[in-house]
Amino acid sequence: NAGVTQTPKFQVLKTGQSMTLQCAQDMNHNSMYWYRQDPGMGLRLIYYSASEGTTDKGEVPNGYNVSRLNKREFSLRLESAAPSQTSVYFCASSDGLARTDTQYFGPGTRLTVL
Amino acid sequence: TQLLEQSPQFLSIQEGENLTVYCNSSSVFSSLQWYRQEPGEGPVLLVTVVTGGEVKKLKRLTFQFGDARKDSSLHITAAQPGDTGLYLCAGEGAGSYQLTFGKGTKLSVIP
Repeated sequence: NAGVTQTPKFQVLKTGQSMTLQCAQDMNHNSMYWYRQDPGMGLRLIYYSASEGTTDKGEVPNGYNVSRLNKREFSLRLESAAPSQTSVYFCASSDGLARTDTQYFGPGTRLTVL
Repeated sequence: TQLLEQSPQFLSIQEGENLTVYCNSSSVFSSLQWYRQEPGEGPVLLVTVVTGGEVKKLKRLTFQFGDARKDSSLHITAAQPGDTGLYLCAGEGAGSYQLTFGKGTKLSVIP
């Protein structure tokens, strides 16, 4: 099992460009998440999907959109990238939303917006 | 917004020493998790504590959840170079599915 995979690993964009970060999990998990990690800020939740067909905003959703394509895949789209979106983006998945459901994280996508 | 403060921010110790890192908040959490993150990788869950006063042990690591469920500590006995990494605490608030993460403690264990 690969667990949670993310593509690409690295990306450089110019201000105003758009891109989609891809995430897939092979653990048959119901819930998926997108976080960003910035130096000195910790991880912050952008969006999550409790189950296939549903998505909800997290702490910092502005400037992002998500799509839960199917049970395996959850993508994050930046429509018009800004330098403030330079960050490391992590996708995670869990069996459900219960506190005892472990979140498994992918290796991250390192995004730089110039 | 619930905040989690972690201390110290950085810690560099010799192999074999003991250490404690702290995670504090003014808010009550229904559960608290500890993660370890290595460079270039995502966080990996170490433990979840859900009951005030709960103590959990994972080999040389001891985790404690405060009686009031506002704070937690991680104690490592006889640290080894393999313990090097970023330790993150994350709390789940009452009635919320979202985790609030602390900024982390960066631990370096020198051989």
